[in-house]
Amino acid sequence: DTGVSQDPRHKITKRGQNVTFRCDPISEHNRLYWYRQTLGQGPEFLTYFQNEAQLEKSRLLSDRFSAERPKGSFSTLEIQRTEQGDSAMYLCASSFGAGGADTQYFGPGTRLTVL
Amino acid sequence: AQTVTQSQPEMSVQEAETVTLSCTYDTSESNYYLFWYKQPPSRQMILVIRQEAYKQQNATENRFSVNFQKAAKSFSLKISDSQLGDTAMYFCAFGYTPLVFGKGTRLSVIA
Repeated sequence: DTGVSQDPRHKITKRGQNVTFRCDPISEHNRLYWYRQTLGQGPEFLTYFQNEAQLEKSRLLSDRFSAERPKGSFSTLEIQRTEQGDSAMYLCASSFGAGGADTQYFGPGTRLTVL
Repeated sequence: AQTVTQSQPEMSVQEAETVTLSCTYDTSESNYYLFWYKQPPSRQMILVIRQEAYKQQNATENRFSVNFQKAAKSFSLKISDSQLGDTAMYFCAFGYTPLVFGKGTRLSVIA
């Protein structure tokens, strides 16, 4: 068990560019979550998948954000036309669950800086 | 909408002493789960302890225990025999899927 991994760990981009982040969950986990964490705040939910189905999206997930989990394994989060307000830590978490509150295991995050 | 409030932005404790971190939440649901997560500096978040709301018994994990007061919607974390490695941000979280987090408490353990 190698835990949840995220790539890249750091990303610096210029405003207006597109960026894509990858998350590899723990292998047997069927649920995968994306959160955003800004300085001094707790993580805020963006979206989550159960297997390949995207079951819920937050209002924080504007139309510039898109997430996929094509084969129910890894997931990608793309931000188009980045803005300075997108600068944050993007956290991925995974869990195994069929109902109730399963324990979520977090990755190290991708820190995005938009110049 | 559920909300989670951590009223102590920063706390410090001497090594080997006991410290309690506060958390309150607001919900209209009767059955739910509560969590404390720890985020060490520049490291990933890890689960410290979880509590099911339907269980009256407070959860414990080694040096970590909670005081769950359902009627008061309070969920505090007690750390006994504090160690330098306990220095971290601590987040209280509520919910099912997804989680709702508080803003965190920065705990410093002083030698």
